[in-house]
Amino acid sequence: QVQLVQSGAEVKKPGASVKVSCKTSGYTFTNSGISWVRQAPGQGLEWLGWISGYNGDANHAPRLQGRITLTTDTSTSTAYMELRSLSSDDTAVYYCARDPTAAADSEKHFDYWGQGSLVTVSS
Amino acid sequence: DVVMTQSPLSLPVTLGQPASISCRSSQSLVYSDGHTYLKWFLQRPGQSPRRLIYEVSKRGSGVPDRFSGSGSGSDFTLKISRVEAEDVGVYYCMQGTHWPPTFGQGTKVEIK
Repeated sequence: QVQLVQSGAEVKKPGASVKVSCKTSGYTFTNSGISWVRQAPGQGLEWLGWISGYNGDANHAPRLQGRITLTTDTSTSTAYMELRSLSSDDTAVYYCARDPTAAADSEKHFDYWGQGSLVTVSS
Repeated sequence: DVVMTQSPLSLPVTLGQPASISCRSSQSLVYSDGHTYLKWFLQRPGQSPRRLIYEVSKRGSGVPDRFSGSGSGSDFTLKISRVEAEDVGVYYCMQGTHWPPTFGQGTKVEIK
């Protein structure tokens, strides 16, 4: 069965960086991609970026330009999201979701999600 | 960015009764390939979002048939034919036609 298991909660100080992992299983990682979504406390969902499991091509929300890096490790079928220069506005639960993006695979778009990783930014 | 506007933002419902949520986009969501990449998710309290509907009206695997999606262009609706207790949570629409993907604000469904 498809599973996405994320790393645990983190507490960071303003200005620091955080790296969240998303370990996948139950499907061929290189045949799909991963989207990252976050949810601030009591707020809605915000798409952050996407990375291909096939070749590492990535794109991200313009508002995060220069602060976010998405990577993968195909040997462990794991995706990573690093966010730098953290501020209190980055306090949120961060989710990964399977997202092949190809139109032919639309039934797989966002069909499986990780359990979420709480990142708290506080001095 | 495409703005997704949901209504209502809060929806008190009676068990066994129908419910309906609207989602409107600031641009047509018909992609150049003719498909419309509009999804619906349910986020139960304390849980990750769960996809219910993709491409406007296609139910995901294991999604009960009391959930149905409809609409076209920039006007979409999620309907629950008979609300059950497990349907409580926040419902989000999301478009994947235009980059970047964007979500609606969410509609909180609760039992009266």
